[in-house]
Amino acid sequence: QSVLTQPPSVSAAPGQKVTISCSGSSSNIGNNYVSWYQQLPGTAPKLLIYENNKRPSGIPDRFSGSKSGTSATLGITGLQTGDEADYYCGTWDSSLSAGLWVFGGGTKLTVL
Amino acid sequence: EVQLVESGGVVVQPGGSLRLSCAASGFTFDDYAMHWVRQAPGKGLEWVSLISWDGGSTYYADSVKGRFTISRDNSKNSLYLQMNSLRAEDTALYYCAKAVMVRGSAYMDVWGKGTTVTVSS
Repeated sequence: QSVLTQPPSVSAAPGQKVTISCSGSSSNIGNNYVSWYQQLPGTAPKLLIYENNKRPSGIPDRFSGSKSGTSATLGITGLQTGDEADYYCGTWDSSLSAGLWVFGGGTKLTVL
Repeated sequence: EVQLVESGGVVVQPGGSLRLSCAASGFTFDDYAMHWVRQAPGKGLEWVSLISWDGGSTYYADSVKGRFTISRDNSKNSLYLQMNSLRAEDTALYYCAKAVMVRGSAYMDVWGKGTTVTVSS
């Protein structure tokens, strides 16, 4: 059971928009920046969004991030088949029971 | 090119020990903290451990505390994970990741390809 809660799967058609939620608490998302990671099949995770809504160089602006309270959201517009991947949110957690860094359980994106 | 290359993953018996290595290149290694993150087969990412830039501070997930030790050798641009008393549930792909920690922000901006540890008799 992950400290951060993500939907196990989402799907949408090519060209459409999808959002992936990440729900936490005041000990993690509520008081810390959130980052998002994309893991394409058979590959290592890759940083997609940092500091809630910033994109590293080379990440297209089809990817966006936001945070409100104890939840964060990843948005992807203009879906492409190459976006099919697992997506993870991550952040610090100051709760003794959680560990220093926590990830969401991951969301599998299917582009129909 | 910024690169992280893990090595040392093998098949080991329960109760055994193993040391993973991560070779860094393309950036000033001793400017950055480093993480180990693992992924069990078919499962999500699990944070394992973090070490500060100078090795002076280390942190562990409860699941590995007391069994795993993270360390680094800045003269060799290398990160290590000593794994003792291994259990079947430690079977996973182990990634090292470069930590960016600035202005209250923290994230992992570079990841290696991982090394596979299998704990089985």
